[in-house]
Amino acid sequence: EVQLVESGGGLAKPGGSLRLSCAASGFTFSHYSMNWVRQAPGKGLEWVSSISSDNKYTYYADSVKGRFTISRDNAENSLYLQMNSLRAEDTAVYYCARDGVTAVDFEYWGQGTLVTVSS
Amino acid sequence: QSVLTQPPSVSAAPGQKVTISCSGSSSNIGTNYVSWYQQLPGTAPKLLICDNDKRPSGIPDRFSGSKSGTSATLGITGLQTGDEADYYCGTWDTSLSANWVFGGGTKLTVL
Repeated sequence: EVQLVESGGGLAKPGGSLRLSCAASGFTFSHYSMNWVRQAPGKGLEWVSSISSDNKYTYYADSVKGRFTISRDNAENSLYLQMNSLRAEDTAVYYCARDGVTAVDFEYWGQGTLVTVSS
Repeated sequence: QSVLTQPPSVSAAPGQKVTISCSGSSSNIGTNYVSWYQQLPGTAPKLLICDNDKRPSGIPDRFSGSKSGTSATLGITGLQTGDEADYYCGTWDTSLSANWVFGGGTKLTVL
């Protein structure tokens, strides 16, 4: 059974940093691209970032480019999101999601971790 | 303002059929596969339709997807109260930079 478990969310001050983690199990982690998607309270889904299976390619939404860094450790079956220079508008539930086999959709999702940016 | 346009809400009675539209452009829906996601209240999104019109394992055939040009459509037949959820379309957009884009979401109410 595929499982994605996010952690690391919490309260951060504007300008502060947080590091999210996603522990993956139930599939060969190194074979799949991985993603972060967020959802602000009462709002829709917003794609944040993606990383290729081999760590070579990363992609970011314009809203987080230069502030967030996605990475992965295939030996540890883990995905990360380092979030710096946090803003109030980064407040959201952050979901870890695995690509599908054809890499054109998000086949599996974690339960999400809440990040709140407030002074 | 989402790159992909969905109606904010749709509603229908139990047992009826409903469709949800998703309108984009040549840089997203026009050239890439569309997927659909169901988000039940208080839960994580779930993949409902992939590759425009394919159902992942375990998704009932009451759910269907189609694409034509720069628009896509999700269809749900035999509506059940358990189908009340938010539905999102999504695809890659390759305009200026590679970005995944979602529609703004559609709230389905089963009356």
